[in-house]
Amino acid sequence: DTGVSQDPRHKITKRGQNVTFRCDPISEHNRLYWYRQTLGQGPEFLTYFQNEAQLEKSRLLSDRFSAERPKGSFSTLEIQRTEQGDSAMYLCASSLGPEFSYNEQFFGPGTRLTVL
Amino acid sequence: AQSVTQPDIHITVSEGASLELRCNYSYGATPYLFWYVQSPGQGLQLLLKYFSGDTLVQGIKGFEAEFKRSQSSFNLRKPSVHWSDAAEYFCAVGGGKLIFGQGTELSVKP
Repeated sequence: DTGVSQDPRHKITKRGQNVTFRCDPISEHNRLYWYRQTLGQGPEFLTYFQNEAQLEKSRLLSDRFSAERPKGSFSTLEIQRTEQGDSAMYLCASSLGPEFSYNEQFFGPGTRLTVL
Repeated sequence: AQSVTQPDIHITVSEGASLELRCNYSYGATPYLFWYVQSPGQGLQLLLKYFSGDTLVQGIKGFEAEFKRSQSSFNLRKPSVHWSDAAEYFCAVGGGKLIFGQGTELSVKP
């Protein structure tokens, strides 16, 4: 299977703990996106990378959130000092770009975070 | 401001009946428009996309959508719904990052 993979699929943590999620995009895709989806809502954009460069961050991405894509391949999203409001599904997607900005974004299955 | 509105939160149709899911968008430039489907426990799957040309686009699983610039709409249609179509449907707009609507949950009655 050469789709987008995310790890872990589920994470339960206590308020105040740090968590890290990993996303492995489709191998030839140079763009990687992170979205957050809360119950009953559509995904909301958080940030995206082109290769290893983080090109845009949403205002939703507070200082407690950090994302990296060190070698332009996999990416990690870290949340420090988690809060109950961080509970959500975190989705990763990848695509070809920028000249193909209309290209389909392929989504991973998501990581569901529950903060107790 | 860029936004997508899906007016119907939940729709129920009978199996075999036709379906139309509504989507309205607000976007400053020529929009790239998408419909995604999300089944429980599954990732988002692209049904179809529009970026130029023919305003009626065909997608997978028998879905189609029509882009109407004058109405800022991109409604999704299917002539005959199958029970397996029950899922959450999201309309999205963007070139690069996507802006999603809040989704329409489709239930299918036998």
